[in-house]
Amino acid sequence: SQQGEEDPQALSIQEGENATMNCSYKTSINNLQWYRQNSGRGLVHLILIRSNEREKHSGRLRVTLDTSKKSSSLLITASRAADTASYFCATGKGAQKLVFGQGTRLTINP
Amino acid sequence: GAVVSQHPSRVICKSGTSVKIECRSLDFQATTMFWYRQFPKQSLMLMATSNEGSKATYEQGVEKDKFLINHASLTLSTLTVTSAHPEDSSFYICSASPRAYNEQFFGPGTRLTVL
Repeated sequence: SQQGEEDPQALSIQEGENATMNCSYKTSINNLQWYRQNSGRGLVHLILIRSNEREKHSGRLRVTLDTSKKSSSLLITASRAADTASYFCATGKGAQKLVFGQGTRLTINP
Repeated sequence: GAVVSQHPSRVICKSGTSVKIECRSLDFQATTMFWYRQFPKQSLMLMATSNEGSKATYEQGVEKDKFLINHASLTLSTLTVTSAHPEDSSFYICSASPRAYNEQFFGPGTRLTVL
């Protein structure tokens, strides 16, 4: 069964604004990863957060993880048109069997 | 480093024919490769996991006789869609994981259209 559920399913904001996407999961995890997918393309790995971490930063990205609520959020600050893409969370244990969320389609309007 | 390629990037075939998709790890040895399928505006669904030199492990609901996976070497895995039908039209993405690595590296995907 699909473990990760994301919301919102679609998000449209103005360039320069912050974008927040959420992911919930059902079972215990070792880590949670966020990926970006441009239309018709493969996945780009953005960030991995381990189950013993609460927050992680990478450039304009900030990921939080709340294992008690089984949820994670991805914040993109100062959004740019190039950030327009679909964003997926994925849970798994090491390199085995990643389970992807339904994804959030983010549109950045100029 | 850690580049994964797929070939072809797009393929159109007639119903009933078979199509082979290749997935290669270009600069590392992949002990494990994964095949995913993605329908339009949907998420990725894992189809099967393959380890070099052994039979692939298929997810529930995936027909192993229809989706043949061969992981013949540490840098190449192939997915053959046999007797393809229009409902098999999808975006197929592979990923590869190096030995002892905690990460999967994804290929750019193959768009299959069955007429």
